[in-house]
Amino acid sequence: DGGITQSPKYLFRKEGQNVTLSCEQNLNHDAMYWYRQDPGQGLRLIYYSQIVNDFQKGDIAEGYSVSREKKESFPLTVTSAQKNPTAFYLCASSMGLLGNTEAFFGQGTRLTVV
Amino acid sequence: DAKTTQPNSMESNEEEPVHLPCNHSTISGTDYIHWYRQLPSQGPEYVIHGLTSNVNNRMASLAIAEDRKSSTLILHRATLRDAAVYYCILSVNAGNMLTFGGGTRLMVKP
Repeated sequence: DGGITQSPKYLFRKEGQNVTLSCEQNLNHDAMYWYRQDPGQGLRLIYYSQIVNDFQKGDIAEGYSVSREKKESFPLTVTSAQKNPTAFYLCASSMGLLGNTEAFFGQGTRLTVV
Repeated sequence: DAKTTQPNSMESNEEEPVHLPCNHSTISGTDYIHWYRQLPSQGPEYVIHGLTSNVNNRMASLAIAEDRKSSTLILHRATLRDAAVYYCILSVNAGNMLTFGGGTRLMVKP
């Protein structure tokens, strides 16, 4: 089945460690996105990529890094510079630029700093 | 980015229609109106979107005011599985992001 897969579903990290969240899609979508969601809040954009080897910062990019070496993959690294990393992280993709196109979301990764 | 305003929560009875309102008074001519919903601990799911005309699909209907300053998502017969947070979002045509607000938490009573 076509879709967008995030792994792992739950992730625990010790303070001071970097951690990488995986996002893979087999929808042949050009654009991919990373969002962060805190309890009871809406989603906030971290990074997005419109095409391979290109990505742009969203509203809350500090303490995060991404890469887009393949069309299917858009991993997110939460670095030790991110002061409050505990959150629900969501990856999405879309055929092209948004507007008259919907986004497809993964099931999320819940990151907890212990 | 143009903002949307939605009620924090709404209640509905099962098998009754639900009308979820959204105000977007600063909408521009190139903004599409999108609706997504999110079940607990899951990623958002696309529901419907439109530009000027009303839209129908298998999940819902979208009614857009003539001046486009407001819209209403219509669930024709609410089920318990429709209990979720519903987000109304404006998406600029050929834009590069969806800006999510707080959404409306829909509770469905059996």
